[in-house]
Amino acid sequence: EAQVTQNPRYLITVTGKKLTVTCSQNMNHEYMSWYRQDPGLGLRQIYYSMNVEVTDKGDVPEGYKVSRKEKRNFPLILESPSPNQTSLYFCASKRDRANYGYTFGSGTRLTVV
Amino acid sequence: GQQLNQSPQSMFIQEGEDVSMNCTSSSIFNTWLWYKQDPGEGPVLLIALYKAGELTSNGRLTAQFGITRKDSFLNISASIPSDVGIYFCAGPRFNQFYFGTGTSLTVIP
Repeated sequence: EAQVTQNPRYLITVTGKKLTVTCSQNMNHEYMSWYRQDPGLGLRQIYYSMNVEVTDKGDVPEGYKVSRKEKRNFPLILESPSPNQTSLYFCASKRDRANYGYTFGSGTRLTVV
Repeated sequence: GQQLNQSPQSMFIQEGEDVSMNCTSSSIFNTWLWYKQDPGEGPVLLIALYKAGELTSNGRLTAQFGITRKDSFLNISASIPSDVGIYFCAGPRFNQFYFGTGTSLTVIP
């Protein structure tokens, strides 16, 4: 089954403790992206990657890092999480930059206390 | 970054009613898309629009690409309980992909 798998689904952590949210897709998609969803603000793009070793900042990149060493994986790293990073995070992929049909993961609900 | 503003922010309607929502931007988009997010899931693509003035249907859903290219509209006819969720407009600009603020729809049986 074609899918985007992100883990974990739920995570509660403390301020300053480094964490990684994993994302993997099995569709050979070139374009991958991370979004955060907050009430009233919709989905905001954190980082995106157009291909292996090519990543770029979205609208809200502060406090986040990403890497794209392999085509299928696109982990999101929070080096020193803060409470304002409490949010619902989605990883998504699509065939390439020109294609518009995103496939989303099921989301990771992160709480930073 | 781009702000895609959707209105209304939320709607509570009776089953069987028609629904209208819209999305506006201060910038021109050459493609508009509409996604739906079911509770607890990621968004799923409903409709894609590629040309100003275009009207496209997908079952009970009809979407329009505004003439100014700065807005788009989504209508749902004869709503049913499974229409509940959050509807997002979206569009690509340069290498980024923007989503709107969302319209939350509740359908009362």
